Amino acid sequence: QKEVEQDPGPLSVPEGAIVSLNCTYSNSAFQYFMWYRQYSRKGPELLMYTYSSGNKEDGRFTAQVDKSSKYISLFIRDSQPSDSATYLCAMSGVDSSYKLIFGSGTRLLVRP
Amino acid sequence: DSGVTQTPKHLITATGQRVTLRCSPRSGDLSVYWYQQSLDQGLQFLIQYYNGEERAKGNILERFSAQQFPDLHSELNLSSLELGDSALYFCASSVWEGGAGVTGELFFGEGSRLTVL
Repeated sequence: QKEVEQDPGPLSVPEGAIVSLNCTYSNSAFQYFMWYRQYSRKGPELLMYTYSSGNKEDGRFTAQVDKSSKYISLFIRDSQPSDSATYLCAMSGVDSSYKLIFGSGTRLLVRP
Repeated sequence: DSGVTQTPKHLITATGQRVTLRCSPRSGDLSVYWYQQSLDQGLQFLIQYYNGEERAKGNILERFSAQQFPDLHSELNLSSLELGDSALYFCASSVWEGGAGVTGELFFGEGSRLTVL
């Protein structure tokens, strides 16, 4: 079983839709949770970062962490064609051995 | 532009060969990470260096090795290549030594696409 599970998609939505992306994980030691966005032929770039449980909002993006369920989500409101990319969740623990574990990524296509 | 430079961008080679991938981190970043991205395995952590020393190891094969030099650039050496080694290899850098740090941010290069025929 992978430490981090993510539905690979692809997910196709019309412009303006609300998008929900999710990951589940098995390691209860994870404390830091991130979402990275990866455009085609580019490296991933950090989109959202949260520590422990709770919500964080940044413009059209909201990240949620539910540690009791080992479940994290990224919501995109008013989705735009420019949001079309692969979204990877990532997480790590608090020990000094830094391993950022990524999900396999969900490919999102926002249709104009 | 993340500030992380990877060369070469594309590499085609044959099974059994050896290749070296190079990474220059962002100015001021002391940590370098190597990741392998393939279609069926996603982004897999290989190894991390901090200021020249190995800090963390992931699913790196014995045929693979890496090092970080005094000028902080890093090289990933892949030997006895197999078809299954075909993938995108990413280098990332951050200022943090360990833990996710204040921002949890890794800055990724654009990757080196390795094709083994």
